[in-house]
Amino acid sequence: QQQVKQSPQSLIVQKGGISIINCAYENTAFDYFPWYQQFPGKGPALLIAIRPDVSEKKEGRFTISFNKSAKQFSLHIMDSQPGDSATYFCAASATLNFGNEKLTFGTGTRLTIIP
Amino acid sequence: EAQVTQNPRYLITVTGKKLTVTCSQNMNHEYMSWYRQDPGLGLRQIYYSMNVEVTDKGDVPEGYKVSRKEKRNFPLILESPSPNQTSLYFCASSLLFGINTGELFFGEGSRLTVL
Repeated sequence: QQQVKQSPQSLIVQKGGISIINCAYENTAFDYFPWYQQFPGKGPALLIAIRPDVSEKKEGRFTISFNKSAKQFSLHIMDSQPGDSATYFCAASATLNFGNEKLTFGTGTRLTIIP
Repeated sequence: EAQVTQNPRYLITVTGKKLTVTCSQNMNHEYMSWYRQDPGLGLRQIYYSMNVEVTDKGDVPEGYKVSRKEKRNFPLILESPSPNQTSLYFCASSLLFGINTGELFFGEGSRLTVL
């Protein structure tokens, strides 16, 4: 059972445009929502993260929008650049018993920025 | 340099031949985890460890074993590899997950092919 659903699977955006990747979750116990960026041949790396007490978090050209009632969150990349071409994973985790946590990843979105 | 090191990076083996993928981190992290990455399925957790001698199953543990005898090392063992274990494997580490969830640091991956 997939707990975090990510879409689209692939995305092509023109340079300077806005890239939008969406994720939805079902587990209302999730309380941490990071996005990871992965370049070819490399491991994923944390890009930006949000907690459900805020509806938006912005870091440079990257913004997470969070809708708690809809159980959805999205990544927006403004002024997309060729260097942003990568695979993006959303993820979610919940604090389980005594602080144990498991991070559940979405299926990934391959983003390509064309000149 | 803070890093997670996996070896080997590439391996081709045959069905049934036991193999070990090593993982070592130099950041004194308590938490370590193994993921496999498959097209269309994203990153799925195999096993994780909260600290030395503490390990637990992730979402896809079948066919894998792990051990955590030292804080820095978390090897992944395939006792009798099968073709369905052909995948890209990532080791990751973090300061202990908990209420103040921290960043996961990933290795560069180990691409395993089982013939």
